[in-house]
Amino acid sequence: DTGVSQDPRHKITKRGQNVTFRCDPISEHNRLYWYRQTLGQGPEFLTYFQNEAQLEKSRLLSDRFSAERPKGSFSTLEIQRTEQGDSAMYLCASSQPRTSGILGTGELFFGEGSRLTVL
Amino acid sequence: SQQGEEDPQALSIQEGENATMNCSYKTSINNLQWYRQNSGRGLVHLILIRSNEREKHSGRLRVTLDTSKKSSSLLITASRAADTASYFCATDRGTYKYIFGTGTRLKVLA
Repeated sequence: DTGVSQDPRHKITKRGQNVTFRCDPISEHNRLYWYRQTLGQGPEFLTYFQNEAQLEKSRLLSDRFSAERPKGSFSTLEIQRTEQGDSAMYLCASSQPRTSGILGTGELFFGEGSRLTVL
Repeated sequence: SQQGEEDPQALSIQEGENATMNCSYKTSINNLQWYRQNSGRGLVHLILIRSNEREKHSGRLRVTLDTSKKSSSLLITASRAADTASYFCATDRGTYKYIFGTGTRLKVLA
């Protein structure tokens, strides 16, 4: 399977604990996105990478959130000192085949998400 | 932040009927995409329309774009129970930062 994979699919943690999510994008994609989605809402942009460079980070993201993509392949999203308001589905997506240069379809391929519950 | 706003928020129709949902956005865009999401799952891309296009078709889907009104519509013809899902529009201003709308929850009754 060459789709986007996320791990873990579900995470239950206590308030104040740190959690880390991993995303493995489609191997030939150079852009990787993180979104957060709460029940009944649309995905909310968090950050995105082109290769290993983090190009933009939402101002909504507090300093407790950090994302990395060290080798331009997989990415991690860490939430420190979790709060109950962090409970959500965290979605990862990748796009743009590397071979297409600056062009690309723009289509985002999403993983199944990592659902976080903070007690 | 949400760039797009879908209308209606929820829609319930009978199988075989057409479903129309609308998306309004606030700033100029490079392209607009529609995605579908089944409950508890990731999103699946349906169709992309560029700012210089006015209409696009894909199977039972028809998308229109009116840049002067900053709005788009998605029409699903001859709906099926399997079309039950949430539908989202996503806009790109040319920076490859995709901003999603609030979604329309479609229920197709068999």
